[in-house]
Amino acid sequence: EIVLTQSPGTLSLSPGERATLSCRASQSVSSNYLTWYQQKRGQAPRLLIYGASSRATGIPDRFSGSGSGTDFTLAISRLEPEDSAVYYCQQYGSLPLAFGGGTKVEIK
Amino acid sequence: EVQLVESGGGLVQPGGSLRLSCAASGFSFSTYWMSWVRQAPGKGLEWVAHIKQDGSEKYYVDSVKGRFTISRDNAKNSLFLQMNSLRTEDTAVYFCAKMPCTTTSCYGFLYFDYWGQGTLVTVSS
Repeated sequence: EIVLTQSPGTLSLSPGERATLSCRASQSVSSNYLTWYQQKRGQAPRLLIYGASSRATGIPDRFSGSGSGTDFTLAISRLEPEDSAVYYCQQYGSLPLAFGGGTKVEIK
Repeated sequence: EVQLVESGGGLVQPGGSLRLSCAASGFSFSTYWMSWVRQAPGKGLEWVAHIKQDGSEKYYVDSVKGRFTISRDNAKNSLFLQMNSLRTEDTAVYFCAKMPCTTTSCYGFLYFDYWGQGTLVTVSS
């Protein structure tokens, strides 16, 4: 069973800055089958990135994913107030499907 | 436009049962794998179960095996989750989620491209 650990727990940045979120897996994620979701307060999650680096439909290019094996990163460039949310990674290379604990991004 | 609308949540006592429903529209429901994901209050996301297009394959997280049953009715574009022997730790918002998988084997597509708004299940005496 793969366990995903996200860091930091909270990120507080100003508009226009760049956010870097980390997701570390307890073992290698098969074929880099890793996604990132954004969840705003009181809303359902929204798919941002799949396959570690492919943007989902309609996602702006300010969001980018990278990484392989056990270490993955979500970068958000030119932060906007609307990017305030909790971000989750999820591995789908093996069962049970697993999510990380989330990183909260606050915009000052 | 893909729409997923959950219903059936509510307050139930420990040991009780509840059946959740998800009405799907805006896509060819019968050709996609579907899933349930839950989120305890103030906590992270947890995959619960997913089901193949024809219902012939079902997968569950260990903590609900033997208590929850996922099913679907393709004629009615609906997904269900029958929850029995409910525990306080099952308290959560339950999301219906579509998986971007139209093949018979979903390996490589076991993620969630569309989500409903969720329905709250509270297990408490």
